[in-house]
Amino acid sequence: AQSVAQPEDQVNVAEGNPLTVKCTYSVSGNPYLFWYVQYPNRGLQFLLKYITGDNLVKGSYGFEAEFNKSQTSFHLKKPSALVSDSALYFCAVRDLGDNNDMRFGAGTRLTVKP
Amino acid sequence: EAGVTQFPSHSVIEKGQTVTLRCDPISGHDNLYWYRRVMGKEIKFLLHFVKESKQDESGMPNNRFLAERTGGTYSTLKVQPAELEDSGVYFCASSMAGGVTDTQYFGPGTRLTVL
Repeated sequence: AQSVAQPEDQVNVAEGNPLTVKCTYSVSGNPYLFWYVQYPNRGLQFLLKYITGDNLVKGSYGFEAEFNKSQTSFHLKKPSALVSDSALYFCAVRDLGDNNDMRFGAGTRLTVKP
Repeated sequence: EAGVTQFPSHSVIEKGQTVTLRCDPISGHDNLYWYRRVMGKEIKFLLHFVKESKQDESGMPNNRFLAERTGGTYSTLKVQPAELEDSGVYFCASSMAGGVTDTQYFGPGTRLTVL
């Protein structure tokens, strides 16, 4: 069965600095990886996904993520953080071999301080 | 284009009562999913509809939970009778196709508190 781990409950960065939110996964087949963001009092918003092809995936709001097969990771990155990026970030994985269920990590709360 | 909507946004009930959550997917999306996040843990899959049919309900915790999607449009999730451990945020999502690579679009969630 597939699983996702987000090793950090909380990430704090200063505005203007680069940010990284970590995600590692475990699947039996090919991974299909997603990042979602939840702003306060809002639903989950889709940021980006990796299906196949280029390991660097670009998404909404200037975010990108790098698929690393050897490290089974899919870390979310942004070169310059904004205060408005403060939110809860979820990594998710799907695997053809597990009923197509989407498995989410526990979430990482990102706080960007001015 | 309107997104996925959920009603109510919050619900506070007592143990043993019944609650019904509603989800309206994006128009034209045949696939509808229910998820739940309990006490700050991971978001867990509950079930998946394709139109009015249950494609996968392997995540439903027990028979106190009943999901329906009459007519293949909106869906309801009923909890009867509610228990304390049912508290959490219930998310609904929809997608055009149901494939493993398809993007699911989520609603704002319903926060359920069982006292």
